[in-house]
Amino acid sequence: GAGVSQSPSNKVTEKGKDVELRCDPISGHTALYWYRQSLGQGLEFLIYFQGNSAPDKSGLPSDRFSAERTGGSVSTLTIQRTQQEDSAVYLCASSLLAGVPGDTQYFGPGTRLTVL
Amino acid sequence: GEDVEQSLFLSVREGDSSVINCTYTDSSSTYLYWYKQEPGAGLQLLTYIFSNMDMKQDQRLTVLLNKKDKHLSLRIADTQTGDSAIYFCAETPAYGSSNTGKLIFGQGTTLQVKP
Repeated sequence: GAGVSQSPSNKVTEKGKDVELRCDPISGHTALYWYRQSLGQGLEFLIYFQGNSAPDKSGLPSDRFSAERTGGSVSTLTIQRTQQEDSAVYLCASSLLAGVPGDTQYFGPGTRLTVL
Repeated sequence: GEDVEQSLFLSVREGDSSVINCTYTDSSSTYLYWYKQEPGAGLQLLTYIFSNMDMKQDQRLTVLLNKKDKHLSLRIADTQTGDSAIYFCAETPAYGSSNTGKLIFGQGTTLQVKP
């Protein structure tokens, strides 16, 4: 596609529910990243995919967070039993190469998650 | 560990130059970046500099890197109201077997441009 797309753009959920956030990277991009932007924590890295595997999950804040990528393309970030502190904007980025500093990461518009 | 620090707010008059500063702790950083985020919009890469460079200029933007002091700055010449946004400094650690290209961001500097 023309750019990174994410869905939904906004998600409001109740505490304790599960949510799924979707990212469609730029076609042909090997690397995919999830970041989270929140008032208290700023912009923080969550997980990195190289193809369908995730060699770096170090940023996932708890075991309630998981992500997968299929077909080297679409990725889904799942948050189980959501808590109010999960409220944030979840950003996805993709880059052509995998794990190469300097290779430009293109960001999607984000999904704004609000947990009531 | 990796840490990136920025001042939170800068206000300038239209037509003046803006200088946004950033410090980082990881001496192995290879690339340092400046991203711009406008209200309701995604992150846009403005420019980046490789760690063996001291300066990079791109139209109204000048990036200065002092590797000894681990200090990065972004100068915007002739600042316009359309430059009002949040500017993020970011770095990637050195390339290696454990490197993933992930970005470590500062907290962001909100630039307010007054007409």
